[in-house]
Formats: sequence, structure tokens, C-alpha cells
Amino acid sequence: AQKVTQAQTEISVVEKEDVTLDCVYETRDTTYYLFWYKQPPSGELVFLIRRNSFDEQNEISGRYSWNFQKSTSSFNFTITASQVVDSAVYFCALSGETSYDKVIFGPGTSLSVIP
Amino acid sequence: ETGVTQSPTHLIKTRGQQVTLRCSSQSGHNTVSWYQQALGQGPQFIFQYYREEENGRGNFPPRFSGLQFPNYSSELNVNALELDDSALYLCASSRDGLGGSSYNSPLHFGNGTRLTVT
Repeated sequence: AQKVTQAQTEISVVEKEDVTLDCVYETRDTTYYLFWYKQPPSGELVFLIRRNSFDEQNEISGRYSWNFQKSTSSFNFTITASQVVDSAVYFCALSGETSYDKVIFGPGTSLSVIP
Repeated sequence: ETGVTQSPTHLIKTRGQQVTLRCSSQSGHNTVSWYQQALGQGPQFIFQYYREEENGRGNFPPRFSGLQFPNYSSELNVNALELDDSALYLCASSRDGLGGSSYNSPLHFGNGTRLTVT
């Protein structure tokens, strides 16, 4: 069975601090895909990144970076120099390798960036 | 390009009634998935439609049903509404599948329909 755990329910940081959101996943598939989505108060889930299980290189995109470690089944997300606009709920998600494997979401981490 | 649009944005229904939610997929996308998101939780997969057929279903009872039309838009129907059906219903579109493969696009979501059952 596939499962995504985000142990941090809520995080509050002061603007300009760095923050890391944790994600741990479980799957029996050898090939799988991991995702991060952001959900601002408007409700729309915004796609941030997709990573396949064969690519363990860390990725940086502006203030965002992702650390994928297969050995610990983790796919953590770091925001550097956080801003108030980063306040949202962040979801880590997992899917199998085929085009028709459903995407399974974790429970989410609510991030509040305080000015 | 046009994004995923859902209607209505908010809806209030009474227990036992039926409801239909609508979704227009992003241009170029032929697959639609529906998710239910209860307050404070992650989205839960209901089902997906590809080429007008249901192709994958989550742990939801048969009173949750759907349709996909030739223009790839979709409807979610819920019969005999229960109080626990109160949630945000999210529609997501993708190209050629659920976004789990590098051969197809990731899921792109609409803003959702907030359903309240009283």
C-alpha cells in the first residue's frame, strides 16, 4: 500500500527565516513519482515539483529546494528566506509508475509566515 | 491556455438530496480526476475519467458517480447526500493519465466547489 506522511501539522516562522517541510512516503513500487503541491487560502492546489524515483539529485528553484533521499524514503521541501506569500498548506504526494496510478496526498503541513 | 474551472464555487444542500458538480478541463488535457478534501485533510481520490470512461476509483460508495463528455469536461454526481459529504471537491485535469508518469502532465487543479450538507 502507498502512504504519505507529513508529521508537521502546522509550522510558524518569522519572515526571512528558512523552513523545511518534511515528507516520508511508503510504497512497494520500484518506480514511482513524488510531488509537492501548494494550497493557498483560495483553495486551488498549485503544482510545484514532480520527481521520479530514479532521480535523487536535489533540485533548487529560486527560494525553493527539494531533498530526495531514497534510503530514508523522504522528500523534504525547504523554503529559503520565507515570505508572507508563502503562507499556505503544502502537500506532498506520491503516485505509481503507470499513467493511471492515482496520486495519493499526505495530510498537509500548514505554513504561516509572520511578518 | 485556459485553466481548470469548476462550478459552482459554493453549494448548500440538505441531507438526502442530490448534487451535480461541474468541471472544465485545462485545454489540451483529456483526463479528469475528482478529489474530496475534508477540512484539515489532504485530498482523497474519488475517481478519474479518461476517454469518457471511469478508469480508476478510490474508496467511495456507488452514490458517487461521474461523467466525462466528448470535450473532456466532467461532472461529479452525489446521491443521497450525507453530512460527512461536506467538503471541498477538487477537479484536476491532466494529459493522458493521472500525472504519475513522465509521459503525461502533472495534475492541474481547479479552485474547487465547497459543498455544505445540512
